[in-house]
Amino acid sequence: SQQGEEDPQALSIQEGENATMNCSYKTSINNLQWYRQNSGRGLVHLILIRSNEREKHSGRLRVTLDTSKKSSSLLITASRAADTASYFCARPVTGNQFYFGTGTSLTVIP
Amino acid sequence: GAGVSQSPSNKVTEKGKDVELRCDPISGHTALYWYRQSLGQGLEFLIYFQGNSAPDKSGLPSDRFSAERTGGSVSTLTIQRTQQEDSAVYLCASSLDRPRSGNTIYFGEGSWLTVV
Repeated sequence: SQQGEEDPQALSIQEGENATMNCSYKTSINNLQWYRQNSGRGLVHLILIRSNEREKHSGRLRVTLDTSKKSSSLLITASRAADTASYFCARPVTGNQFYFGTGTSLTVIP
Repeated sequence: GAGVSQSPSNKVTEKGKDVELRCDPISGHTALYWYRQSLGQGLEFLIYFQGNSAPDKSGLPSDRFSAERTGGSVSTLTIQRTQQEDSAVYLCASSLDRPRSGNTIYFGEGSWLTVV
């Protein structure tokens, strides 16, 4: 995509393992946000990281941002079956849009 | 309200009919977005409203799609002469201010549209 990609597209891990998903972007940003989506319904906001931040934590979630590489990663530690969902990163693009890629589908096996 | 509210949650319509989808954003939020998501796909931007400014309609896929936002609050997305390829989840979201201001976007649960 011209706006960047998430990878991997799908990830399957055992409960208790860590899950890492990555997001790349093309244009400069001042913030990037991660969202979770269950069962194709509404997205739930997880973390916002600003361009002057390198790392941010929220519970078992850790987000990093590398503006020189135009990439971000979301780490979920000690995963649980309830973490099974699709994860998207949203980056503001030109105009008034947030671009959401195709996301990473995470399956946590009990 | 406490969150973004969308209705109907599910709609099955016959090809060629018109449909209206409603979104009630969080009170006080000036920005309102409509996205479309087909099965297993990412979110496709449709339209953005910001306060009293002219909406950004750059994502609307055809002239069969239109949206309005009355009184800076409730928004209605209208699809005329529906086609089978319009089948998708239509997601509405709102935020306190513009995207680049670093505001969290809050999503509704979506309206699942099936055109038969």
